[in-house]
Amino acid sequence: QKEVEQNSGPLSVPEGAIASLNCTYSDRGSQSFFWYRQYSGKSPELIMFIYSNGDKEDGRFTAQLNKASQYVSLLIRDSQPSDSATYLCAVSNTGGFKTIFGAGTRLFVKA
Amino acid sequence: DTAVSQTPKYLVTQMGNDKSIKCEQNLGHDTMYWYKQDSKKFLKIMFSYNNKELIINETVPNRFSPKSPDKAHLNLHINSLELGDSAVYFCASSQDPLAGGRDTQYFGPGTRLTVL
Repeated sequence: QKEVEQNSGPLSVPEGAIASLNCTYSDRGSQSFFWYRQYSGKSPELIMFIYSNGDKEDGRFTAQLNKASQYVSLLIRDSQPSDSATYLCAVSNTGGFKTIFGAGTRLFVKA
Repeated sequence: DTAVSQTPKYLVTQMGNDKSIKCEQNLGHDTMYWYKQDSKKFLKIMFSYNNKELIINETVPNRFSPKSPDKAHLNLHINSLELGDSAVYFCASSQDPLAGGRDTQYFGPGTRLTVL
């Protein structure tokens, strides 16, 4: 079983729609959860982090965490073509020195 | 003003050679990391260093030797390069991996290594 699983996609949504990205993780001791965005040929950059169960909103982005189900999601509202990228889910265990990344979901937003 | 920098950006070399990649961060962070991203874009942690001390070594072959001369630098030396070492290597840093809200990692631009 992979430690952090994501649907590789591609996920294609029309401009203005909501994009929903999902991630599951296997280590119940995980404490910190991140979503990074990576454009082709570039380095990952942080979109959101979340530590507690529930929702966390930042502009057009909402992260959702359900520790009982070991599930993290990212919603992107009013998707724009500039949101087209690979989205990486990342999970850190207690101690934080080891962050496990999922394989990423490619998102295409069609104009 | 680059927060995390790496050199070189591209590295093309022959099998069997030895090469180094340098990383520097000016964020004042205590923790630095090396990641390998393969052709399938899977980002995998290799090493974590905290205050110049090795914390995590993810079963990386001992041909890979990280060195941290100070908290702001973490270099990666690779001996006897193999074809399978071809990948993009990312350096990253974080302020405090033990503190929620300060464990976000900031990545360098990456070094694309091609072994021929």
